[in-house]
Amino acid sequence: DVQLVESGGGLVQPGGSLRLSCAASGFVFSSYSMYWVRQAPGKGLVWVSHISADGSATEYADSVKGRFTISRDNAKNTVFLQLNSLRVEDTAVYYCTKGSDSWGQGTLVTVSS
Amino acid sequence: DVVMTQSPLSLSVTLGQSASISCRSSQSLVSSNGHTYLMWLRQRPGHSPRRLISSVSNRDSGVPDRFSGSGSGTDFTLTLSRVEAEDVGVYYCMQATYWPHTFGQGTILEIK
Repeated sequence: DVQLVESGGGLVQPGGSLRLSCAASGFVFSSYSMYWVRQAPGKGLVWVSHISADGSATEYADSVKGRFTISRDNAKNTVFLQLNSLRVEDTAVYYCTKGSDSWGQGTLVTVSS
Repeated sequence: DVVMTQSPLSLSVTLGQSASISCRSSQSLVSSNGHTYLMWLRQRPGHSPRRLISSVSNRDSGVPDRFSGSGSGTDFTLTLSRVEAEDVGVYYCMQATYWPHTFGQGTILEIK
């Protein structure tokens, strides 16, 4: 079975940084694009970033471009999301997903002073 | 960005009855390869989303045949027949034809 396990969320002050990780298992990780999606409290789903299977191509939502960086380590079956210059409006549960067919349990990022 | 508009935004259904959710996109979701990347997902309270249907009408593994998807171009529908208590949650349509992928606002389904 596909498993995606996110970690790294927490409480951070505005302007701070966090690094989210998503450990994958149950499929050939190096063959699939991976995505991060976030959901602010009580709100809907928003795509944040995408990385191609080999890591050569990345995409970002305009709201995070220049502040977030997606990367992956295919040897460790893990995808990362580096969050810099965090804003209050970045507060959300961040989900790792394998192209919408499998989702992790999410990790909560709270940006507050 | 492609705007996905769902209606209704909330739905109250009697057990055993049918329900339909509409999703309209601001531009055609037919990709250059001829495929239409329109998905339906459900999110139960306190849980992660789960995909139910891909490519307009293909049910994911383990999804009951009470769920069906239809549509083309810019107009799509999710139909639930014989609604059960376990169907409660928020239903989202999502397009993956264009980046950024975009979701509808969500439709809350509750049991009357």
